[in-house]
Amino acid sequence: DGGITQSPKYLFRKEGQNVTLSCEQNLNHDAMYWYRQDPGQGLRLIYYSQIVNDFQKGDIAEGYSVSREKKESFPLTVTSAQKNPTAFYLCATSGTQKDEQFFGPGTRLTVL
Amino acid sequence: KQEVTQIPAALSVPEGENLVLNCSFTDSAIYNLQWFRQDPGKGLTSLLLIQSSQREQTSGRLNASLDKSSGRSTLYIAASQPGDSATYLCALSGSRLTFGEGTQLTVNP
Repeated sequence: DGGITQSPKYLFRKEGQNVTLSCEQNLNHDAMYWYRQDPGQGLRLIYYSQIVNDFQKGDIAEGYSVSREKKESFPLTVTSAQKNPTAFYLCATSGTQKDEQFFGPGTRLTVL
Repeated sequence: KQEVTQIPAALSVPEGENLVLNCSFTDSAIYNLQWFRQDPGKGLTSLLLIQSSQREQTSGRLNASLDKSSGRSTLYIAASQPGDSATYLCALSGSRLTFGEGTQLTVNP
């Protein structure tokens, strides 16, 4: 079954803790993306990767980190430096930067 | 910097009505334009992709048009149904994908 999986669906974190969100894909896409969505706002790009072992900062990268060690996986770590991490996080993939993007089901992170 | 605006922010219509959602953008140097649907608490579902060289795309009851010269795209939904209720987002692909804030559509039975 092809697609993009994100886990967990819901995540709760105490202030000061780092947490890692998982994104896995079996679409054989080179490019992967992380977005953040807040109520009443559009999606904002956190990080993206066009190829394995390479990634670039998006518009709101501060307080986040990523890795791209495998084509299939692009985990996002929300660090304690992120001041307002409560949000809905979406992972996406595309064949190339010019191609159609496909999205995973999302992870809702709540900081307690 | 690309700016994307979607009007209206919310729309409520009776079932069966034909409707148009609007998306405007400031930079015509794009690779493509995508329309997405998002249900509450869910990820985005891609509805239509229009390449920069194309004028429109159709899928079932949906038709999307692209006019780069005027910086506008429209999503036309024919014979709307309650199941069409969702938030619709447009996104433009240039150096990166830039999203509008969406139009929240409610189709009343």
